[in-house]
Amino acid sequence: EAQVTQNPRYLITVTGKKLTVTCSQNMNHEYMSWYRQDPGLGLRQIYYSMNVEVTDKGDVPEGYKVSRKEKRNFPLILESPSPNQTSLYFCASSLGRGGSQPQHFGDGTRLSIL
Amino acid sequence: AQSVTQLDSHVSVSEGTPVLLRCNYSSSYSPSLFWYVQHPNKGLQLLLKYTSAATLVKGINGFEAEFKKSETSFHLTKPSAHMSDAAEYFCVVSVDTGRRALTFGSGTRLQVQP
Repeated sequence: EAQVTQNPRYLITVTGKKLTVTCSQNMNHEYMSWYRQDPGLGLRQIYYSMNVEVTDKGDVPEGYKVSRKEKRNFPLILESPSPNQTSLYFCASSLGRGGSQPQHFGDGTRLSIL
Repeated sequence: AQSVTQLDSHVSVSEGTPVLLRCNYSSSYSPSLFWYVQHPNKGLQLLLKYTSAATLVKGINGFEAEFKKSETSFHLTKPSAHMSDAAEYFCVVSVDTGRRALTFGSGTRLQVQP
């Protein structure tokens, strides 16, 4: 089954404790992206990757890092999490380079930073 | 730059009655437009997309949307609501630039009353 898999689905942690949210897709998609969802704001892009070893900042990249060493994986790293990073996070992927390609989303990771 | 405005944050209908979720957009380029649905604790699922072909777009689960360039609108409709349609709906615009970021509306929560 074609899917985007995120782990963990839920995490409660404390300020300053490094964490990684993993994202994996099995559709051989070139493009991958991370979004955060906050009430009343829709989804906002954090980082994206056009292909292996090619990553760039989205709208809200502060406090986050990413890497793309393999085509299928695109982990999101919070080196020193803070409470304002408490949010619902989605990983997405799409085929090809055009804006008309729909993005496929994972089921989300709910992070609570205390 | 592009933006999306979903005109209603909440819509409540009775089962079996029509659904109308309103969306207006602005874009400097020819946009691709999408509607996504989000059920509780799930990721976003693509309902339908407009990519400069037919202006009336049919999607899954009986939904359709009409692209009206003169009104910069992309309203989502369904002739008869079902209880399973209760969810949050996002109107999304995408343009064909390197970032390929999706710009999300703030969402419309659809309630379906029995």
